[in-house]
Amino acid sequence: NAGVTQTPKFRVLKTGQSMTLLCAQDMNHEYMYWYRQDPGMGLRLIHYSVGEGTTAKGEVPDGYNVSRLKKQNFLLGLESAAPSQTSVYFCASSRDNHGYTFGSGTRLTVV
Amino acid sequence: AQSVTQLDSQVPVFEEAPVELRCNYSSSVSVYLFWYVQYPNQGLQLLLKYLSGSTLVKGINGFEAEFNKSQTSFHLRKPSVHISDTAEYFCAVSEGYGGATNKLIFGTGTLLAVQP
Repeated sequence: NAGVTQTPKFRVLKTGQSMTLLCAQDMNHEYMYWYRQDPGMGLRLIHYSVGEGTTAKGEVPDGYNVSRLKKQNFLLGLESAAPSQTSVYFCASSRDNHGYTFGSGTRLTVV
Repeated sequence: AQSVTQLDSQVPVFEEAPVELRCNYSSSVSVYLFWYVQYPNQGLQLLLKYLSGSTLVKGINGFEAEFNKSQTSFHLRKPSVHISDTAEYFCAVSEGYGGATNKLIFGTGTLLAVQP
């Protein structure tokens, strides 16, 4: 099993450009999450989904949008990238609240 | 709402010495507690978790943690560390049984730096 796969692994964007990060899981998990990781701040929840067709805001949702059209996929969009969105983005999925499975991350730089 | 505090941003320790990484949490409801490890340039891997039952939880790579409800703590320990344990360690909390969203709230992390 691949688990949780994130694409791309690296990306450099210019300020104002848009992009979509893809997260795919093959474990039939109901719950999926997007976090960003910044030095000294741990992981902060951007958006999450409790099932296909549902999304909800997390701790730091501004500047991001998400969609969960299929159960196995959770997309994170940046409509107009800003330097403050330079970060490492992690996707995770879970079957219940007994722990997550994480992807390997996407390192995004906005210049 | 839950929150997690990891007071130590970095813990230097010599190889084969014992180590304790501290984690305190706050919550108005029952919680589940977790420790994750992140090796350089990798994702997060689950070390151990407390859901219920025995307050002493054993995880992978010789780590263990003890849930102390009265002190709202979940400190991580290892009796003898190796160079390969050098990594960042994150404590996390989620709502306990019956939680609706399964959201994990993370601490800011502790960098364990093992020196030869």
